[in-house]
Amino acid sequence: RKEVEQDPGPFNVPEGATVAFNCTYSNSASQSFFWYRQDCRKEPKLLMSVYSSGNEDGRFTAQLNRASQYISLLIRDSKLSDSATYLCVVICKNQGGKLIFGQGTELSVKP
Amino acid sequence: DGGITQSPKYLFRKEGQNVTLSCEQNLNHDAMYWYRQDPGQGLRLIYYSQIVNDFQKGDIAEGYSVSREKKESFPLTVTSAQKNPTAFYLCASSIGQFGNTEAFFGQGTRLTVV
Repeated sequence: RKEVEQDPGPFNVPEGATVAFNCTYSNSASQSFFWYRQDCRKEPKLLMSVYSSGNEDGRFTAQLNRASQYISLLIRDSKLSDSATYLCVVICKNQGGKLIFGQGTELSVKP
Repeated sequence: DGGITQSPKYLFRKEGQNVTLSCEQNLNHDAMYWYRQDPGQGLRLIYYSQIVNDFQKGDIAEGYSVSREKKESFPLTVTSAQKNPTAFYLCASSIGQFGNTEAFFGQGTRLTVV
């Protein structure tokens, strides 16, 4: 089983749609969580951190469920510019703090 | 401006040659990482370093080597032992294991074996 797993997609949605991505992790010692965005042929860039209480940044909402060991990203009112690959990242303290990436979920927002 | 710089952006290598990819950061970060990304795939960890003069193998270290002689620098050498080196290589840095903070990436190096 992979340490961090995401649905690879692609998710094809119309503009204005709401879309949700899930990411599961296997190590219960995981302690920090992030969502990154990667555009085609570019480096990943931090979208948002994920806090235990959940957090929101404009149209984006991230949530953490430690009991079920998953994090989620919700995008409301999708824009064409949201088209990208979204990467889930986990840091495990008992693995020397290394960053572990999911394989990414591709989102394509259509007019 | 503070940041993380990779060079070169594009690199071509003949089969059987070693090549070194540069990664420099001026963010005063303790931790640095090298990832490989193949088309349509996620990031796979090659090596990482949490402190100067120390580094650990990641999931796909075979055929690669690194050094961490300075805090700012974490070069990656792709050796001739790496059977399929053509890929997009990404370097990242973060405050370190005690900070548990996000990582910042360089712009990447595209390596092509010709």
